[in-house]
Amino acid sequence: ILNVEQSPQSLHVQEGDSTNFTCSFPSSNFYALHWYRWETAKSPEALFVMTLNGDEKKKGRISATLNTKEGYSYLYIKGSQPEDSATYLCASQSGGYQKVTFGTGTKLQVIP
Amino acid sequence: DAGITQSPRHKVTETGTPVTLRCHQTENHRYMYWYRQDPGHGLRLIHYSYGVKDTDKGEVSDGYSVSRSKTEDFLLTLESATSSQTSVYFCAISRPGQGQETQYFGPGTRLLVL
Repeated sequence: ILNVEQSPQSLHVQEGDSTNFTCSFPSSNFYALHWYRWETAKSPEALFVMTLNGDEKKKGRISATLNTKEGYSYLYIKGSQPEDSATYLCASQSGGYQKVTFGTGTKLQVIP
Repeated sequence: DAGITQSPRHKVTETGTPVTLRCHQTENHRYMYWYRQDPGHGLRLIHYSYGVKDTDKGEVSDGYSVSRSKTEDFLLTLESATSSQTSVYFCAISRPGQGQETQYFGPGTRLLVL
């Protein structure tokens, strides 16, 4: 994998459903993996940053896992709420540099 | 709030005119970035800076230049704007957070090149 890829591109779920999305990234020279939440008409907000294989982070109903050996991360949302509707971006940081490469995001719509 | 402002917030300009966007931070962070956001492409890095007068190119730097004469200001210039540069431009800084450098974004500038 040369680029950062996210799937699915968009997702509609009912309120109360749990959901998850995937971020795939180059595993060579891996430094860190970032997740951002991006609401419409706002700027991206940092959710998590993970560095170690097997890392798990949690914030409220949202959690993320990291597999650096195979180059993927999952973001989970438990009991989705309408306010969770946003685009979720992942970004891979490699080589220790400050440059990060963003995926194109997963757009989540939670239907009340 | 990472103390990042961008100006202008909205701009309409004509093809061939020069445009400068300003990013201002109040927290004295070393690293600053300019991204553009386009449908289907997510955020793409244009240029970044790792200190005063220290800048480097990102993946979509053609047609753009940057300057950083003060820690707090990072300017993005479109020397001769083209319609393909119509986009939303985000400035970001990175600072330690959650154990690693995390990027924090400004509110964005919407640029329309006619």
